[in-house]
Amino acid sequence: DVKVTQSSRYLVKRTGEKVFLECVQDMDHENMFWYRQDPGLGLRLIYFSYDVKMKEKGDIPEGYSVSREKKERFSLILESASTNQTSMYLCASSTSGQSYEQYFGPGTRLTVT
Amino acid sequence: EDQVTQSPEALRLQEGESSSLNCSYTVSGLRGLFWYRQDPGKGPEFLFTLYSAGEEKEKERLKATLTKKESFLHITAPKPEDSATYLCAVGAGSYQLTFGKGTKLSVIP
Repeated sequence: DVKVTQSSRYLVKRTGEKVFLECVQDMDHENMFWYRQDPGLGLRLIYFSYDVKMKEKGDIPEGYSVSREKKERFSLILESASTNQTSMYLCASSTSGQSYEQYFGPGTRLTVT
Repeated sequence: EDQVTQSPEALRLQEGESSSLNCSYTVSGLRGLFWYRQDPGKGPEFLFTLYSAGEEKEKERLKATLTKKESFLHITAPKPEDSATYLCAVGAGSYQLTFGKGTKLSVIP
């Protein structure tokens, strides 16, 4: 079974804090993704990575950065958290083969006050 | 630009009342259409991948079908535990997926 884990289920941070969200997958997947999910807006892609040290911007990268130093680990960084970054953050991974369905972690509910 | 539209936004069914969810898509060069189930406060759970028109896949009370413009998720004799939001996504030229906003299904005992 594919397993994607995220470092926290719930997180509360103050405006201006630096926030790290970590994601680990155990299936040797090449691709990893960070999304945020908000009511009425659906899933929106923040950043993705095809390989170690590689990253590509998604639809809403502003205010975020990422790091992928090891194949199994993909981190999302909020350099200076703002209240409009309160959201559910979801990490996913997939292979680069024909069957590239994405497998999701449990999510991190981040609240910025 | 790839687009995915799911309908209805919400659906209430009585237990045992079969129905279908719709996913319409516009994409250049479909590589796969994906269905997910999402329970409140949790990450989406992968259900099916469909690759070409005419393909069908089944899992318990769920059956997914695909045409050149849309996919249907048929739910036969649903139970309350089938209540969830069902997401549809398409993949085209890269490994990114474009998601619809989902259909929230409620099955009433």
